[in-house]
Amino acid sequence: DAGITQSPRHKVTETGTPVTLRCHQTENHRYMYWYRQDPGHGLRLIHYSYGVKDTDKGEVSDGYSVSRSKTEDFLLTLESATSSQTSVYFCAISMTSGSYNEQFFGPGTRLTVL
Amino acid sequence: AQKVTQAQTEISVVEKEDVTLDCVYETRDTTYYLFWYKQPPSGELVFLIRRNSFDEQNEISGRYSWNFQKSTSSFNFTITASQVVDSAVYFCALSDSSGGSNYKLTFGKGTLLTVNP
Repeated sequence: DAGITQSPRHKVTETGTPVTLRCHQTENHRYMYWYRQDPGHGLRLIHYSYGVKDTDKGEVSDGYSVSRSKTEDFLLTLESATSSQTSVYFCAISMTSGSYNEQFFGPGTRLTVL
Repeated sequence: AQKVTQAQTEISVVEKEDVTLDCVYETRDTTYYLFWYKQPPSGELVFLIRRNSFDEQNEISGRYSWNFQKSTSSFNFTITASQVVDSAVYFCALSDSSGGSNYKLTFGKGTLLTVNP
């Protein structure tokens, strides 16, 4: 268990509304990621963070912004939600422990934009 | 650009059959990492394995085994004596060597495995 939680777990919102998803981890992992999962696309990287206030874009970053003001929280914001952003959003962390290097995922947030 | 292809969209087998899930990748990096994840119907993503590009040893973990072949850019996953609980979507993923343990994953589209009793 990598101690990753996501909130909310489900959200329904309307087009044009701002939405913020939260990823919280309890084990001081440096690297955090946001992915979205859509049918027929697998998972795609939106943004990632390599430390407090250090973030970078992924493959599908348009329409999304992120912030990381403290190690444990990585926020994903949709400034003005669109129906194309209806998806399941997964947060992930990379963990190194001894010889292990793994990437673990949170439980996901299902977002519906009407 | 990196790319992962899982050509099998859906596979259906009968319990106790062996099944192989194919994964072919493209990358220009000489150092990279390959992953497999399982997503059961409950929706969570379960880490199965990570492989370095410089370690071509095959790996076995219980009923699971992985065959990594750099010559064909493939990282195939075999389940021996499949069980109903193996029914899930399986994702293959590729990461470059951005540094340290920063894994920015490129995923395949997944293979839905259904194991029938």
